[in-house]
Amino acid sequence: SQQGEEDPQALSIQEGENATMNCSYKTSINNLQWYRQNSGRGLVHLILIRSNEREKHSGRLRVTLDTSKKSSSLLITASRAADTASYFCATDASLGGADGLTFGKGTHLIIQP
Amino acid sequence: GAGVSQSPSNKVTEKGKDVELRCDPISGHTALYWYRQRLGQGLEFLIYFQGNSAPDKSGLPSDRFSAERTGESVSTLTIQRTQQEDSAVYLCASSRDRDGRNYGYTFGSGTRLTVV
Repeated sequence: SQQGEEDPQALSIQEGENATMNCSYKTSINNLQWYRQNSGRGLVHLILIRSNEREKHSGRLRVTLDTSKKSSSLLITASRAADTASYFCATDASLGGADGLTFGKGTHLIIQP
Repeated sequence: GAGVSQSPSNKVTEKGKDVELRCDPISGHTALYWYRQRLGQGLEFLIYFQGNSAPDKSGLPSDRFSAERTGESVSTLTIQRTQQEDSAVYLCASSRDRDGRNYGYTFGSGTRLTVV
């Protein structure tokens, strides 16, 4: 079953603008991770935020986590054409006994030059 | 190796044939995962190996799917009597700890399987 659900499904913005993607999930988690996928192949790990953290930064990326609302957001600041990709959130629900990360369907981000 | 290596990168097979997909994880990564991704969809969990423990096969969609892993090295995913619905990208990932809870997963580039 789908644990993470990204929103929006697709997003198109101008280069230089900020892009915000959201993720909602259903069960208690140990951590939440964001991944990027280019051209439908391998995913690249971007950032991991633990359940006891509220915000985390990595370069132009900012991730927030609200465990009370079971939601997370990924903000990409000063977007570049190279940021065009699909972005997935993934939850580690191992506290509930599940193995492996559960991925959402992703947000397809297009940066217009 | 430096990354997770999957082979072949592309595979076209006739319906009803068996296929074997291979994954070489990063050396020292105890956990290995197989996912399937259909066109335009998210990742669907298939199977998880952790060290020498019995694998979690709960995500395998049918008994035509099986996977093996020798110790903490290479894994193979076998699909018997392939069907057109099996067409997808099969992604392998490894992590140095359970569920990638500290470092996340490292993914291979995937095998794109097309059943004709």
